[in-house]
Amino acid sequence: EPEVTQTPSHQVTQMGQEVILRCVPISNHLYFYWYRQILGQKVEFLVSFYNNEISEKSEIFDDQFSVERPDGSNFTLKIRSTKLEDSAMYFCASSKQNTEAFFGQGTRLTVV
Amino acid sequence: AQKVTQAQTEISVVEKEDVTLDCVYETRDTTYYLFWYKQPPSGELVFLIRRNSFDEQNEISGRYSWNFQKSTSSFNFTITASQVVDSAVYFCALIVGGTSYGKLTFGQGTILTVHP
Repeated sequence: EPEVTQTPSHQVTQMGQEVILRCVPISNHLYFYWYRQILGQKVEFLVSFYNNEISEKSEIFDDQFSVERPDGSNFTLKIRSTKLEDSAMYFCASSKQNTEAFFGQGTRLTVV
Repeated sequence: AQKVTQAQTEISVVEKEDVTLDCVYETRDTTYYLFWYKQPPSGELVFLIRRNSFDEQNEISGRYSWNFQKSTSSFNFTITASQVVDSAVYFCALIVGGTSYGKLTFGQGTILTVHP
């Protein structure tokens, strides 16, 4: 069964460092998303991406964040200068048009 | 703005008990979609069900059933004869409009613990 895959599963980074989280969405999906979940809290929308551009973003998704689809299969989230409060589980998701989103296993980011 | 409220923070039951997880949503849109996702201890988010605002039919899938009532803006989830493997965090979520199916607004989640 096709699934969204994310790497790495856990990343530890020092405050101020850049980090790139990687995702391979389901191959025939057209919409791609990043969400985050701070430990013990609800899942929050960050950004959606369609047709090689951002279609929607939340107030959380500030200038420190960027997304890219560098080739036909990968979808990345970059955080330029990580802060302690960026520590969270980051979920990538993908969907076809007019269907539910399927989530990856998540990447646990720890900023120290 | 839309909002999803899951008033039950934690529920604890004994195996084989029935349990209902409550979800109340707020939106001014007439077109919206409601979802339930399960987050087991391993951390991933598992899609369970999607319902659109024009379809109030209740749905049953094995031990799972969902009760959608527009009159009370609720989309409750019942697990019949619960099992230990049902232990997880359950999230109710909402998408409004028809422009994007992925911008989910999640509730706070309900932690369900099923004891043997």
